[in-house]
Amino acid sequence: QLQLQEYGSGLVKPSQTLSLTCAVSGGSLSSGGYSWSWIRQPPGKGLEWIGYIYPSGSTYYNPSLKRRVTISVDRSKNQFSLKLTSVTAADTAVYYCARGFHFDFWGQGILVTVSS
Amino acid sequence: EIVLTQSPGTLSLSPGERATLSCRASQSVSSNYLAWYQQKLGQAPRLLISGASSRDTGIPDRFSGSGSGTDFTLTISRLEPEDFAVYYCQQYGSSPLTFGGGTKVEIK
Repeated sequence: QLQLQEYGSGLVKPSQTLSLTCAVSGGSLSSGGYSWSWIRQPPGKGLEWIGYIYPSGSTYYNPSLKRRVTISVDRSKNQFSLKLTSVTAADTAVYYCARGFHFDFWGQGILVTVSS
Repeated sequence: EIVLTQSPGTLSLSPGERATLSCRASQSVSSNYLAWYQQKLGQAPRLLISGASSRDTGIPDRFSGSGSGTDFTLTISRLEPEDFAVYYCQQYGSSPLTFGGGTKVEIK
């Protein structure tokens, strides 16, 4: 069974860079032709798609975040990563990684709080 | 960007009743690439339906999806206690991928 697990810093200072990684186990992220996404959910609010990456490294970002987002992939480690620069309190959210365009496998999520 | 509007915001029903959730798109969803998710408190969303009407593996048949173009519906034929949750629709026919604001199904 495919499993995804997010890890990274749960507390980031304003103006700094949020960095998270999603480790994929139980299968290879390079097989099946899937894209791999980051999605976030502010506390008590709805879901926002951040962007996706293919194993080839091709990416697409939500235009609302594009200036600040970089998603990268490390096929040798079977993981992909998110960097979000110049964070503010508005970036406080649970961050999820997920597979595909309709998301059939999700990580459990990691709460990232932006605070000094 | 396709904006998805879900209604109602909250649905108050009793176990055994039928739930009808609506998702309306600001423009036609390409190839009816519309998905539905269930999210319980403290958990990641769970895929229920993709392609507007195809249940994901292991999803009970009391969940059904319908619709096309700009109007989509998720129906839960008979609510079980574990079905009380928040439901989101999501379109993946065009980028950026977008979600609706959610419908909370609560116990009456």
